[in-house]
Amino acid sequence: AQTVTQSQPEMSVQEAETVTLSCTYDTSENNYYLFWYKQPPSRQMILVIRQEAYKQQNATENRFSVNFQKAAKSFSLKISDSQLGDTAMYFCAFMKHFGNEKLTFGTGTRLTIIP
Amino acid sequence: DAGVTQSPTHLIKTRGQQVTLRCSPKSGHDTVSWYQQALGQGPQFIFQYYEEEERQRGNFPDRFSGHQFPNYSSELNVNALLLGDSALYLCASSLVGTGTRETQYFGPGTRLLVL
Repeated sequence: AQTVTQSQPEMSVQEAETVTLSCTYDTSENNYYLFWYKQPPSRQMILVIRQEAYKQQNATENRFSVNFQKAAKSFSLKISDSQLGDTAMYFCAFMKHFGNEKLTFGTGTRLTIIP
Repeated sequence: DAGVTQSPTHLIKTRGQQVTLRCSPKSGHDTVSWYQQALGQGPQFIFQYYEEEERQRGNFPDRFSGHQFPNYSSELNVNALLLGDSALYLCASSLVGTGTRETQYFGPGTRLLVL
């Protein structure tokens, strides 16, 4: 079974600063996907970024980037030039590679952007 | 391009009652997954439907059942409601296969309160 751990329950950062959210996971699989989802107070889960484990290059999406360390089973999210709209719960999630598998989520990090 | 929709948005029931939640997947998607998110926690996988059949199931009792219709929409049914069933119920849709098509996109959720 897979587990996902987010060790930072809450974080806050000044607007325009950079913040990094941590995530570690445990799996015996070699091929898998990792995701970061954002859940604002409106509660809709929004996909932020996705990483395929077989790709060494770290994924980036505009101000969002990841640091994927496969050997360490670490998958952190960096948000650059943070904006007030980035205030939300952030969940790290794991999915096995084949068969359209389920998502396994961490417990989340509540991020607050301070104006 | 219509995203994932869920109904109703909120629901209040009493213990012992039965409830049905509904989900319409994103246009072009054929797979629906259901998740339960208790307050302050990450979503937990309930089950997944593809081709009108339950493909896989998480650690939830038989009181939780589902259905998928030929148009790919889905229902989640919960019988004999318990106080502990109070949660946000999230539906996610995806497309069977490998690669980016397997990414799950979420609806806004249904908030269920059991009194």
